[in-house]
Amino acid sequence: DAGVIQSPRHEVTEMGQEVTLRCKPISGHDYLFWYRQTMMRGLELLIYFNNNVPIDDSGMPEDRFSAKMPNASFSTLKIQPSEPRDSAVYFCASSLAGGSTDTQYFGPGTRLTVL
Amino acid sequence: QKEVEQNSGPLSVPEGAIASLNCTYSDRGSQSFFWYRQYSGKSPELIMFIYSNGDKEDGRFTAQLNKASQYVSLLIRDSQPSDSATYLCAARAFDSGYALNFGKGTSLLVTP
Repeated sequence: DAGVIQSPRHEVTEMGQEVTLRCKPISGHDYLFWYRQTMMRGLELLIYFNNNVPIDDSGMPEDRFSAKMPNASFSTLKIQPSEPRDSAVYFCASSLAGGSTDTQYFGPGTRLTVL
Repeated sequence: QKEVEQNSGPLSVPEGAIASLNCTYSDRGSQSFFWYRQYSGKSPELIMFIYSNGDKEDGRFTAQLNKASQYVSLLIRDSQPSDSATYLCAARAFDSGYALNFGKGTSLLVTP
């Protein structure tokens, strides 16, 4: 079985540009999470979805960030306009509620650099 | 603010020794706890979870939970150089749904 798939793996962009990160969760999983990881702040939850519906977006830093999940197999995280302080590794994770562990499985991440 | 605290390390142990990683949490509503391992440049992967007070063993790994002291630990027996990684502790509270609150991680270095 394929794990969580994220694209692109690396993104370098200039300040002010729009950035779109993509995620395909594990098939059958009903929860999808977006995280951001930096050395200073560690791994922070940005937003999570249940059955394609956003449940908690309190971690989204500001209005420049938006996330969508149009169907069970695809989600996007968009930053517009991007700023240098957005540079981080962005992880997508998925899980299946009701399992014995509710384990979150992480994708490989997208390393974003905003110049 | 719901905090999960970990010593950033690095924690250095010789090969074959026991590595002890510690984590404290501030939210008394936290009910389940997870240890993830993250190799440099890679994504976190789950090692163990624990829900009940006491010890839980899985191979060379033992997770310990003390809810009264709000303390979680991970013991790694017979440490190997391949265990060198950052270990992330995460807590989940009943009222937070399925969201995990992560600590910043402890860097472990196992020296041959």
